[in-house]
Amino acid sequence: NAGVTQTPKFQVLKTGQSMTLQCAQDMNHNSMYWYRQDPGMGLRLIYYSASEGTTDKGEVPNGYNVSRLNKREFSLRLESAAPSQTSVYFCASSKQGVNEKLFFGSGTQLSVL
Amino acid sequence: GNSVTQMEGPVTLSEEAFLTINCTYTATGYPSLFWYVQYPGEGLQLLLKATKADDKGSNKGFEATYRKETTSFHLEKGSVQVSDSAVYFCALWRAGNTPLVFGKGTRLSVIA
Repeated sequence: NAGVTQTPKFQVLKTGQSMTLQCAQDMNHNSMYWYRQDPGMGLRLIYYSASEGTTDKGEVPNGYNVSRLNKREFSLRLESAAPSQTSVYFCASSKQGVNEKLFFGSGTQLSVL
Repeated sequence: GNSVTQMEGPVTLSEEAFLTINCTYTATGYPSLFWYVQYPGEGLQLLLKATKADDKGSNKGFEATYRKETTSFHLEKGSVQVSDSAVYFCALWRAGNTPLVFGKGTRLSVIA
């Protein structure tokens, strides 16, 4: 029962480096999401994909790009990491389109020095 | 726009104490309301929901009632346990292609 799998779990980057966070779900869900979680700010939506082949910006998209590679996978890319992107990143999915029941991965803790 | 406001934490309670975490919302129309819970080191998971006014959502001893007149969805539990220590998020969803809107979360610590 894998559900939503994120890799890596931890990552340290230097300012200016690039990296891609991977997310895969095995529940045949249509919609996928990327959130970041920061102390005092709660959970903020970065990007989402309502269905395979579509992506939309969320509340805080600047500095990020996404790719919905196929129905299972939704990756988040930081082209030039900044200290302000230090955060915990969560991937989530939902079954039939954008709806209320999200299934979350266990998160990626990213530090940008 | 749509938004959710939760009480600031952290909340620290002794085991078997009564819990209330306040949540109010701003939205047009008739949103659905949710509580999600995040246990240490994990992602969020749905705790309970209510989809229309006066509905009561309940799960694992937690309850919340959708109050349209006060635009509130407060989370309550009669007797908390150490295992309830977690971060609780209130959330709102409008039908259509718009994702969930989360509050900032309230950290609950229950001590034995």
